[in-house]
Amino acid sequence: SAVISQKPSRDICQRGTSLTIQCQVDSQVTMMFWYRQQPGQSLTLIATANQGSEATYESGFVIDKFPISRPNLTFSTLTVSNMSPEDSSIYLCSVERARQETQYFGPGTRLLVL
Amino acid sequence: SQQGEEDPQALSIQEGENATMNCSYKTSINNLQWYRQNSGRGLVHLILIRSNEREKHSGRLRVTLDTSKKSSSLLITASRAADTASYFCATDLSGYALNFGKGTSLLVTP
Repeated sequence: SAVISQKPSRDICQRGTSLTIQCQVDSQVTMMFWYRQQPGQSLTLIATANQGSEATYESGFVIDKFPISRPNLTFSTLTVSNMSPEDSSIYLCSVERARQETQYFGPGTRLLVL
Repeated sequence: SQQGEEDPQALSIQEGENATMNCSYKTSINNLQWYRQNSGRGLVHLILIRSNEREKHSGRLRVTLDTSKKSSSLLITASRAADTASYFCATDLSGYALNFGKGTSLLVTP
């Protein structure tokens, strides 16, 4: 398994501001992903964080709104930019050591935008 | 788009009873994973079953996979109040990220 931490665990933010969420893994992993879970909903993939290159975004998500960094094999950040109340969600990072293997999730960051 | 669909959406049982949740998906998969989420927290991985497997066990959990019907089931035996949570199935389409179903909300009452 993998031990994953996220910071912050929760935050309340004003609309128009930005928040950067950090994801730290206790060992090197091949794949890192960012998901969003809106209230009462399932998880939706935002993007795949690629080490050393630009993230790969899913349909409906763009880099200007959700810039992602992955400077090494154990760390990634997701920024939620120019926030609106619709961005209120739980944001989760996940990791996969190798393709088609178990994917482990961080504890999530609960974001409320006022 | 969501690949998996869990059934039922909500399930309420008493401690000691068995809980069965079903998941259906639409396209061919490499594997299917089940997760548990307590009160909007992070997801806990329960079990992974590969497309060439039909059944797996882990403690009180039993997962089956029927690729011909594109469906999977999760059975929790002798349920406990601590099993109260949302349960999600997720499919791995091509070694990429996961597609999650909408989840089953399980309530186990003492």
